[in-house]
Amino acid sequence: GAVVSQHPSWVICKSGTSVKIECRSLDFQATTMFWYRQFPKQSLMLMATSNEGSKATYEQGVEKDKFLINHASLTLSTLTVTSAHPEDSSFYICSASPGTTNSNQPQHFGDGTRLSIL
Amino acid sequence: SQKIEQNSEALNIQEGKTATLTCNYTNYSPAYLQWYRQDPGRGPVFLLLIRENEKEKRKERLKVTFDTTLKQSLFHITASQPADSATYLCALAGGANNLFFGTGTRLTVIP
Repeated sequence: GAVVSQHPSWVICKSGTSVKIECRSLDFQATTMFWYRQFPKQSLMLMATSNEGSKATYEQGVEKDKFLINHASLTLSTLTVTSAHPEDSSFYICSASPGTTNSNQPQHFGDGTRLSIL
Repeated sequence: SQKIEQNSEALNIQEGKTATLTCNYTNYSPAYLQWYRQDPGRGPVFLLLIRENEKEKRKERLKVTFDTTLKQSLFHITASQPADSATYLCALAGGANNLFFGTGTRLTVIP
């Protein structure tokens, strides 16, 4: 149980393109989902917390107008990288937990999206 | 802000031995700490969670300790196998169920 699916698994596109990444919880409802970014040989860095039916909460230094998050249902959150540039190339990973906010449940991660901007 | 350090970037051990990975943190008092395994090109997979009032947690060949005085967690894999080769991440709980991750230790078990 507790499967999180992320799509697409990898994207290569030209600079200036906007890219949408989907994160779905397949067998549970997720009030909250999380978006991380991971550069090579570095740890996962939390970008934002996606809340169903409300605005996302962004971490310091993450541009909310560049990384648009939509959490329209309890099983789907999307991250759109707008006008992507080569420096946005990274491994983007989402996670979700069946628990409510502030519960100490483990998080279940998608398999990530490798984004390469040419 | 909180700082999380994992003792070494890479660790090589012989098959059958016990692997011990270290996670140290500063400027924070987490209510609980989690360990994850990450394989190349994949998302992390949850392994164990330990709470601040627990000294030790076990799951099959895995053991985690949590010393809130030293601000340290140790992660042990006994009777290690080549299939245990992966990057292991420790993570501290944030306020809103979010997690802050260490940089990870890449473990290689040599047959």
